[in-house]
Amino acid sequence: EPEVTQTPSHQVTQMGQEVILRCVPISNHLYFYWYRQILGQKVEFLVSFYNNEISEKSEIFDDQFSVERPDGSNFTLKIRSTKLEDSAMYFCASSERGQGASGNTIYFGEGSWLTVV
Amino acid sequence: GENVGLHLPTLSVQEGDNSIINCAYSNSASDYFIWYKQESGKGPQFIIDIRSNMDKRQGQRVTVLLNKTVKHLSLQIAATQPGDSAVYFCAEKVLGGGADGLTFGKGTHLIIQP
Repeated sequence: EPEVTQTPSHQVTQMGQEVILRCVPISNHLYFYWYRQILGQKVEFLVSFYNNEISEKSEIFDDQFSVERPDGSNFTLKIRSTKLEDSAMYFCASSERGQGASGNTIYFGEGSWLTVV
Repeated sequence: GENVGLHLPTLSVQEGDNSIINCAYSNSASDYFIWYKQESGKGPQFIIDIRSNMDKRQGQRVTVLLNKTVKHLSLQIAATQPGDSAVYFCAEKVLGGGADGLTFGKGTHLIIQP
């Protein structure tokens, strides 16, 4: 079964440092997403990306965050200056069509665990 | 505020029994619902979805029921197996609302006892 892959699986970073989380969505998918899950809490939507631009972002996704599709396969999430409260599991996801479209399924990666110290 | 929530944080059932996981939602505009399973250390895995024009949808060993009158969603798992042990999340969305993001509930931890 095709899968979304994420790297690194775990990263520890100093507060104030920049972090880039990488994702390889499923190859024929057109919609890409980042979600995060703070330990013990629910999964929260960050951003969606389609046709090389952000299609939606949540309140969490402030100016410290950015996303990019630098080439035909990778999808990255950058946190410019990390804060302690950015510590969370970050999930990349992709779908062939938009969320809610008939027959669409959203596939999540295994996550990147970010610890800010 | 409006939110998606769950009645029980932990549900323990005997292996082979059926389990029912519940979810309450308060956004009456939500018209698309998904159940996800999350095993320890892994990402959410899609189980089944349902649109608001349906009351029931069945998959392999799973059934989702939607009661729009009381804004309640449930996931039934038949003949539970050890591999069903996980945290189950419901998620909701307003289709055509210009929003892509899913709103997740906090999750119910399903424990299958041998």
